[in-house]
Amino acid sequence: QVQLVESGGDVVQPGGSLRLSCATSAFTFNTYGIHWVRQAPGKGLEWVAFIQFDGTNKYFADSVRGRFTLSRDNSKNTHHLQMNSLRTEDTGVYYCAKENRFCGGAKCYFLDFWGQGTLITVSS
Amino acid sequence: DIQMTQSPSSLSASVGDRVTITCRASQGITNYLAWYQQKPGKVPKLLIYAASSLQSGVPPRFSGSGSGTDFTLTISSLQPEDVATYYCQHYNGAPFTFGPGTKVDI
Repeated sequence: QVQLVESGGDVVQPGGSLRLSCATSAFTFNTYGIHWVRQAPGKGLEWVAFIQFDGTNKYFADSVRGRFTLSRDNSKNTHHLQMNSLRTEDTGVYYCAKENRFCGGAKCYFLDFWGQGTLITVSS
Repeated sequence: DIQMTQSPSSLSASVGDRVTITCRASQGITNYLAWYQQKPGKVPKLLIYAASSLQSGVPPRFSGSGSGTDFTLTISSLQPEDVATYYCQHYNGAPFTFGPGTKVDI
């Protein structure tokens, strides 16, 4: 069955960097885009970034644009979220989630399978 | 960018009640709207996509409606296991903004 497993969460100081990974299985890696969503403690969901199925287009929330980047390792079916210049407000659980892509409509970017999340704490 | 709002922010209802949550987009998004359920301490789960299509495995007491800017999520008969926070999200185009959530209690 479809699985997404995040890793890389840690405690980091403000201004530091961290790379999250999202290992995927049971679906064709190059067929689906991947979203990253975060949730600060006790707060709601915040969409962070999306990489298109073929990696050609990448989109970011204003709050992270210029600090976060997306990449993928096709050989390992793994996506990465590189986070630089981290701020305290970046603290939270980070989820990766698969887009649907084939819902029958013109746009199917909704998130149908989610990983369990990994916790990032930015604190001095 | 499209902003999403939800109302109410929280509600308390009895088992068996009909519950309705409203989501509004700051501009028209056709029917590119999804609803997610997040139970306490759990991962969000897709309930509805394309405003009214039920995701496989989701109980039929959940339904969605709307198009353009105004959408609703309805739970026809609230069950104890429906205690959760419910989020709408548009996927008309990036950024794919979530609503602030509606917390549902029994």
